Amino acid sequence: SQTIHQWPATLVQPVGSPLSLECTVEGTSNPNLYWYRQAAGRGLQLLFYSVGIGQISSEVPQNLSASRPQDRQFILSSKKLLLSDSGFYLCAWGENNYGYTFGSGTRLTVV
Amino acid sequence: GQSLEQPSEVTAVEGAIVQINCTYQTSGFYGLSWYQQHDGGAPTFLSYNALDGLEETGRFSSFLSRSDSYGYLLLQELQMKDSASYFCAVGDNAGNMLTFGGGTRLMVKP
Repeated sequence: SQTIHQWPATLVQPVGSPLSLECTVEGTSNPNLYWYRQAAGRGLQLLFYSVGIGQISSEVPQNLSASRPQDRQFILSSKKLLLSDSGFYLCAWGENNYGYTFGSGTRLTVV
Repeated sequence: GQSLEQPSEVTAVEGAIVQINCTYQTSGFYGLSWYQQHDGGAPTFLSYNALDGLEETGRFSSFLSRSDSYGYLLLQELQMKDSASYFCAVGDNAGNMLTFGGGTRLMVKP
């Protein structure tokens, strides 16, 4: 069965510091991978998605970037965090919009 | 682009039936799905409708009317553990991405 790993679970970072969140998937090959962000009490905002190695589509221009160096690895990064980057970051994989599987999420607080 | 609307909050009593509506506006459509998210947790997939009609999965059912750009999630025999946020989501034509609604917070009371 497919599993998705995301870490760390929580993170407190100062403004201006870099960020790297990693997501890996097991049990499937060439998955579609996604990064979503969720503000407290709000919906899920799609940040990036990838249909293959090195292929990244950005949905919201902002202070973040994503990379897919390996088939089952998806990384979310920032060179300098802003206060507005705080939120709950979720990695997901899915096929044809059916039944996305989400990782357990990273709760990021920028201070 | 895609946009979805659903009520922000619904309250119901244990054992009752509740319906959470979702209307959407899309430039393309590739199915309507529903997710459940408990506080502090990640969303989990509940159901998916690609065609018009009702899909039933245990106590949960989901309905879609593509001509009305409308769907709903029906929860029967409510239990306290059903207290959570519920999100509808639509897929784009390419089948590559989901856009989520703002979520409906369901509170089940004894």
